Amino acid sequence: ETGVTQSPTHLIKTRGQQVTLRCSSQSGHNTVSWYQQALGQGPQFIFQYYREEENGRGNFPPRFSGLQFPNYSSELNVNALELDDSALYLCASSLKTGTINEKLFFGSGTQLSVL
Amino acid sequence: AQKITQTQPGMFVQEKEAVTLDCTYDTSDQSYGLFWYKQPSSGEMIFLIYQGSYDEQNATEGRYSLNFQKARKSANLVISASQLGDSAMYFCAMREGRGNAGNMLTFGGGTRLMVKP
Repeated sequence: ETGVTQSPTHLIKTRGQQVTLRCSSQSGHNTVSWYQQALGQGPQFIFQYYREEENGRGNFPPRFSGLQFPNYSSELNVNALELDDSALYLCASSLKTGTINEKLFFGSGTQLSVL
Repeated sequence: AQKITQTQPGMFVQEKEAVTLDCTYDTSDQSYGLFWYKQPSSGEMIFLIYQGSYDEQNATEGRYSLNFQKARKSANLVISASQLGDSAMYFCAMREGRGNAGNMLTFGGGTRLMVKP
């Protein structure tokens, strides 16, 4: 069983640029969510995709956007990068959505540095 | 108000001893779930244990147990017989049942556990 994989592992961008992060969900999982983890903090929910549609969003501006593909892999796009966007971006997949006890399976993340 | 509070930024424990990591939460929902995740230096968040708000017994998973005190809104993680490989960040998280954005988890700030040989 293949786990959640993310690419790239590290990325350096400059302020104002755009970035795309990628995630392959665990086999059989149709729900993908993205989290931002700033240094020394817990992860914060960005949004979730279920069957190629966004079905939940945290308190992040519209310049954070995403896609989910028919194979359930996903992309996170961030436009007009700001210094505060520097963080570890974690992708998580799950078997289904909408149940209290649903476990999330996380990838190892993409470390984004904005200079 | 913080939904999940972890008051111990860092803790040391001697190898083979037990350790308790504290977590308090705040919600007005009757139905919610509490999770603990471990994050080693590799970055991946590893699921450890789950407790549902309606579960009458404390959850256990191998060396991990959850001390759930609903009236006090606390969900402390107990690790028995600590091992060197337990050194990592530990996060408490909650999923609320009402108005939840999909599978959204709300995380605390984490506790760094260091196991001494």
